[in-house]
Amino acid sequence: NAGVMQNPRHLVRRRGQEARLRCSPMKGHSHVYWYRQLPEEGLKFMVYLQKENIIDESGMPKERFSAEFPKEGPSILRIQQVVRGDSAAYFCASSAGQGNEQYFGPGTRLTVT
Amino acid sequence: KNEVEQSPQNLTAQEGEFITINCSYSVGISALHWLQQHPGGGIVSLFMLSSGKKKHGRLIATINIQEKHSSLHITASHPRDSAVYICAVTSYGNKLVFGAGTILRVKS
Repeated sequence: NAGVMQNPRHLVRRRGQEARLRCSPMKGHSHVYWYRQLPEEGLKFMVYLQKENIIDESGMPKERFSAEFPKEGPSILRIQQVVRGDSAAYFCASSAGQGNEQYFGPGTRLTVT
Repeated sequence: KNEVEQSPQNLTAQEGEFITINCSYSVGISALHWLQQHPGGGIVSLFMLSSGKKKHGRLIATINIQEKHSSLHITASHPRDSAVYICAVTSYGNKLVFGAGTILRVKS
């Protein structure tokens, strides 16, 4: 049973480009969470999704960031017009349901040059 | 003040020592989590607990709901235990709120 998968593991983008980060939850999990870890800072919640629904996006920056979890396929975190301050590790986690343990993916390390 | 506070921030121990990392929180929670992160690596969930005590190998986690406090203990520490240990709580909704982490280095 494969764990949570994220790709790419490393992503380099120039300022102004778009970044797309993908997360495939564990088999049987329908809840996905995105967290961001800025350099030298702790982890922060971004968004919580279930299939086709955004449940809580209170941690998402108001502009340039969006997330989706379609009926088929992985969850996508999309960052438009990236800036240097977006450079961070982005972690995805999944769970079988609300209140269940969350399992983390290996993360995507985004570098904006 | 952060909702989740950990101490110490940094900890250096000699191989074989008993280690304790503390976590205090200021919000109502449904569960508390202890996570491990190796440098440049992913995050592994060590424990999820809402009461009492859990043990896995050399790791023990305890929680006191009344005092809003949890501890992670490592017995017979080993250099491979060197990592960042992160306390997190599930508060309202289902999102995790994280402490700043404790950087542990175990020397041989």
